[in-house]
Amino acid sequence: AAGVIQSPRHLIKEKRETATLKCYPIPRHDTVYWYQQGPGQDPQFLISFYEKMQSDKGSIPDRFSAQQFSDYHSELNMSSLELGDSALYFCASSLTGAPANEQFFGPGTRLTVL
Amino acid sequence: AQRVTQPEKLLSVFKGAPVELKCNYSYSGSPELFWYVQYSRQRLQLLLRHISRESIKGFTADLNKGETSFHLKKPFAQEEDSAMYYCALTGGATNKLIFGTGTLLAVQP
Repeated sequence: AAGVIQSPRHLIKEKRETATLKCYPIPRHDTVYWYQQGPGQDPQFLISFYEKMQSDKGSIPDRFSAQQFSDYHSELNMSSLELGDSALYFCASSLTGAPANEQFFGPGTRLTVL
Repeated sequence: AQRVTQPEKLLSVFKGAPVELKCNYSYSGSPELFWYVQYSRQRLQLLLRHISRESIKGFTADLNKGETSFHLKKPFAQEEDSAMYYCALTGGATNKLIFGTGTLLAVQP
């Protein structure tokens, strides 16, 4: 079965550069979530989209923006990168109405800011 | 405030021993509670959800609203259970997950 796809899997950037992370949800899933997991930390919710509209926002810096496109894939854009942005970024997708609205996670993108 | 607490960062047991991973939560409404597991080099995946009242891979978890706990239990640990376990909850309309800090379960042979 198709799973959530994230690209790239690894990304190395320098301070003040920009990064774009991509997420391809499971086909027919209508909701995408982004989470950030710093070293030794629990995953923290950043932002979510339902049917291409932002549905919720967590502790996402103003330097970050995200959107969901017509084909339901989502991109997380990160500008003016800081050392503290180094983390594992997870994307998850779900189908509204499915049992417990279960979220299916991608493998994550590991971002390293030097 | 919404919060999930997992007091143990690491739990090491021997194969065949009982396992209990603790999880306490703080939430003003009626949350849905989950356990997610992450095996080495694999993605996060759902293990259990409280509304299902199911047993997966021998694991069970009971929601205790009085104690605001959702501890994960297994009577006999196996080496393949070694993984990172996250307790999480949702409660809002948007279904975002709030995670605990995770417990690394290490099952020794």
